[in-house]
Amino acid sequence: DTGVSQDPRHKITKRGQNVTFRCDPISEHNRLYWYRQTLGQGPEFLTYFQNEAQLEKSRLLSDRFSAERPKGSFSTLEIQRTEQGDSAMYLCASSLAVGGAEETQYFGPGTRLLVL
Amino acid sequence: AQSVTQLGSHVSVSEGALVLLRCNYSSSVPPYLFWYVQYPNQGLQLLLKYTTGATLVKGINGFEAEFKKSETSFHLTKPSAHMSDAAEYFCGVIYSGAGSYQLTFGKGTKLSVIP
Repeated sequence: DTGVSQDPRHKITKRGQNVTFRCDPISEHNRLYWYRQTLGQGPEFLTYFQNEAQLEKSRLLSDRFSAERPKGSFSTLEIQRTEQGDSAMYLCASSLAVGGAEETQYFGPGTRLLVL
Repeated sequence: AQSVTQLGSHVSVSEGALVLLRCNYSSSVPPYLFWYVQYPNQGLQLLLKYTTGATLVKGINGFEAEFKKSETSFHLTKPSAHMSDAAEYFCGVIYSGAGSYQLTFGKGTKLSVIP
């Protein structure tokens, strides 16, 4: 059973550029989450999908951020016109819905973004 | 506002000593509680979780935590620290009555183990 994978693991970009990250969840997991973690902080929720439907979005997810999960499998997170404040670790997690919110979220290794 | 507080951003213990990492939450509805561990440049790994039932929860690597509703706490303990326990630990909460699936995390506690 492979875990959650994320690509790339590291990304350096210049301010104003667009970046896209990919997350492949554990197979059969129908819920997928994105979190952002800045230095010295815990992860902060950005958004979550159940299958292909985006059901919840944090107010942290500004208009420059967009996430998709077109076929209910992998997901992409795009940041347009990056700013230095976007520098962070972007974590993806997945879970298998068993009826409630108590199911375990399994995290990937993260994508570390540095905006110069 | 619902929040998670981890007391102590950095805890140091000697190898073989008791590990105690504190977590308090604020909630007016029953929470689901989680402890995750993060090693440098890696994602989060679940140590243990409390959903319902027995309030003392045992996890991996000898860790356990006790849910105390009256104290709104979910402190993490391990009787004897090992060098490999050095990492950052995050307490997380899902508020079951909110209709949400987002994990709200504390700021984390970095555990150092002194040989």
